[in-house]
Amino acid sequence: EIVLTQSPATVSLSPGERATLSCRASQSVSSYLAWYQQKPGQAPRLVIYDGVSRASGIPDRFSGSGSETDFTLTISRVEPEDFAIYYCQQRRNWMYTFGQGTKLEMK
Amino acid sequence: QLLESGGALVHPGGSLRLSCAGAGFDFGARAMSWVRQAPGRGLEWVSAISAGATITSYADSVKGRFSVSRDNSKSRFYLQMDSLRPDDTGIYYCARASIIYDGYFFDSWGQGTLVTV
Repeated sequence: EIVLTQSPATVSLSPGERATLSCRASQSVSSYLAWYQQKPGQAPRLVIYDGVSRASGIPDRFSGSGSETDFTLTISRVEPEDFAIYYCQQRRNWMYTFGQGTKLEMK
Repeated sequence: QLLESGGALVHPGGSLRLSCAGAGFDFGARAMSWVRQAPGRGLEWVSAISAGATITSYADSVKGRFSVSRDNSKSRFYLQMDSLRPDDTGIYYCARASIIYDGYFFDSWGQGTLVTV
């Protein structure tokens, strides 16, 4: 099983600041990594797939980078609506795993 | 586009069947998954089924107790949950796998149904 480890667990920022969230895989996942945003009481929402591609409707302040085992989700200037929990996710051989999540909270 | 049903309060050792109805897309062309979230916890993938139901997979935590199936003629898929335990409690989401990149990520999610054991 591929384990995804996200860091930090919590990041506290003010609106307008830059957010950098990390996801590390225990084995290479090539570029097959996705990121999701989840707000309280809501279902997750796809943000980034293939490590770098923004999903439909996602603002361009969100960007993804990385490959193999190290991936980063960056929000260039955090907006109030971006405060949420972010999860990374991969699949290999029909077994899916999620990271434990990073909470982006307002300072 | 995805609507779950069937969540309920059940005693330990009991059974429950969840259903997810898809609408507005070619249901039979998409792999589907169940993902759950215990109260205050992160996301945990539970089970997946390929578009043609030829492949099923399960997380170790539910293997041998849960069974996934689908009926493409009804645009529905199901999760039969047996021998339920208190740590199965949570919101169960159905999630649609992407049509690209062999469906490794989820591009649409239901709003979830609550299972309490």
